[in-house]
Amino acid sequence: DAKTTQPNSMESNEEEPVHLPCNHSTISGTDYIHWYRQLPSQGPEYVIHGLTSNVNNRMASLAIAEDRKSSTLILHRATLRDAAVYYCILRDVAGNTGKLIFGQGTTLQVKP
Amino acid sequence: DSGVTQTPKHLITATGQRVTLRCSPRSGDLSVYWYQQSLDQGLQFLIHYYNGEERAKGNILERFSAQQFPDLHSELNLSSLELGDSALYFCASSVEILGGGPGNTIYFGEGSWLTVV
Repeated sequence: DAKTTQPNSMESNEEEPVHLPCNHSTISGTDYIHWYRQLPSQGPEYVIHGLTSNVNNRMASLAIAEDRKSSTLILHRATLRDAAVYYCILRDVAGNTGKLIFGQGTTLQVKP
Repeated sequence: DSGVTQTPKHLITATGQRVTLRCSPRSGDLSVYWYQQSLDQGLQFLIHYYNGEERAKGNILERFSAQQFPDLHSELNLSSLELGDSALYFCASSVEILGGGPGNTIYFGEGSWLTVV
C-alpha cells in the first residue's frame, strides 16, 4: 500500500480556514485519495475523497496537485467540533480489497 | 449515527479468557472490516469479509478469528486474552469493495472497548 505523510499536529482558530496537507509521492494511477477523521471517543468518519480533480462537499474541499503527489484537505471555517485526528489514506481500487490503511494522521486543535 | 452497530460497548475480562465482539453492518452493506485501536499502535486493520468470504487479512493474531454470517453480521472472537489486547475494536462496513463511487465509502461503528485485567 502506498504511504502518506502528514504533519503530526496543527492548530487553528475557530471560524478560520484550515489547510491540512498530505504528501503521497508514491501514489499509483489507481489510487484514490481518501480523508477520514476521528473525533474523540468515536469511530472514524468519512470526510471526502477524490482521484484527480478537486472535490467539494458539505464538510470540506479536497485540492489535489496536478502530479497527484500531494493533496490538501480544506475546512473552510473551522469549528470546535472539527477538532479531531485527520487521516489521509490512499485506497487502491484496482486491487481485490478496499481496506483502509491508517497512518498516524494529523491532530487538529481548534482554539476558540 | 453511522448505521453500524457494535456490541458490547464495553467489556472487562480476565487474562486467558475468550470474548466475542459482534457487529451488525449498515443495511445492504456486504463488506465488513475489523480494526483494532490501541494507544501505542493507532488504528490497525485486522480483517475484511465480503458477503461471507474472507477477502483480506491484516495484523490479526492467530488467537483472533472472525466470521461473517449469511445475514451479513460479523463476529470477532478473541481468545487467550492478554493484557496487551486491551483496545478499542471497530467494525466498519461498506456496500462495495472497489470503485470510486459513494458505495465505496466505509462507515465505522462506535467501537467496543475491551479491557483485559
